[in-house]
Amino acid sequence: DQQVKQNSPSLSVQEGRISILNCDYTNSMFDYFLWYKKYPAEGPTFLISISSIKDKNEDGRFTVFLNKSAKHLSLHIVPSQPGDSAVYFCAASDGSSNTGKLIFGQGTTLQVKP
Amino acid sequence: DARVTQTPRHKVTEMGQEVTMRCQPILGHNTVFWYRQTMMQGLELLAYFRNRAPLDDSGMPKDRFSAEMPDATLATLKIQPSEPRDSAVYFCASGLVLVLAGRLQETQYFGPGTRLLVL
Repeated sequence: DQQVKQNSPSLSVQEGRISILNCDYTNSMFDYFLWYKKYPAEGPTFLISISSIKDKNEDGRFTVFLNKSAKHLSLHIVPSQPGDSAVYFCAASDGSSNTGKLIFGQGTTLQVKP
Repeated sequence: DARVTQTPRHKVTEMGQEVTMRCQPILGHNTVFWYRQTMMQGLELLAYFRNRAPLDDSGMPKDRFSAEMPDATLATLKIQPSEPRDSAVYFCASGLVLVLAGRLQETQYFGPGTRLLVL
């Protein structure tokens, strides 16, 4: 039972355009969501997070949107740069569980073409 | 620039040998997580510790895997005996637990991983 799903294994975008990565979840108890970026041969790097009390969080070129009713979150990268090419993981946690356990999606490989 | 460090970065060993992977969490973080990444399973949680106490190791094969945190600056993951199916990248992550409005939030910071190959 996959509680966090990234249905698009890959995405290709032209440099300068917007990249939109999507993530769906099934557990309504999830209240904290994160995006990580991973380059080959490196560990995942924390990118941005959002609490369920918000529907948007912005950090520079990165914006995460949360739609609780649809159990959907998305990461927007504007403008996309070739250095953004990586695997992106979304993750979620349940703050009432008293653990910091993150449930990860399977990842989406983003390719930004020059 | 605080980072999680892991050693070794690469390990090649033969089936049946003991493998020990080490992790130094970020100073001040009070949780440590061990993950395994494979092509089929994605990021799989093996075990985690809070304030050096093991909280959950249900994701770990108990017969051959063990995880410990002998002090606040060192976490270890041991496989004995190792098998070819253990070949994967093992990540350690550390985090700081925050409680906001009665709910727990934690951001985990990952190390570079140990790439293990068991022949």
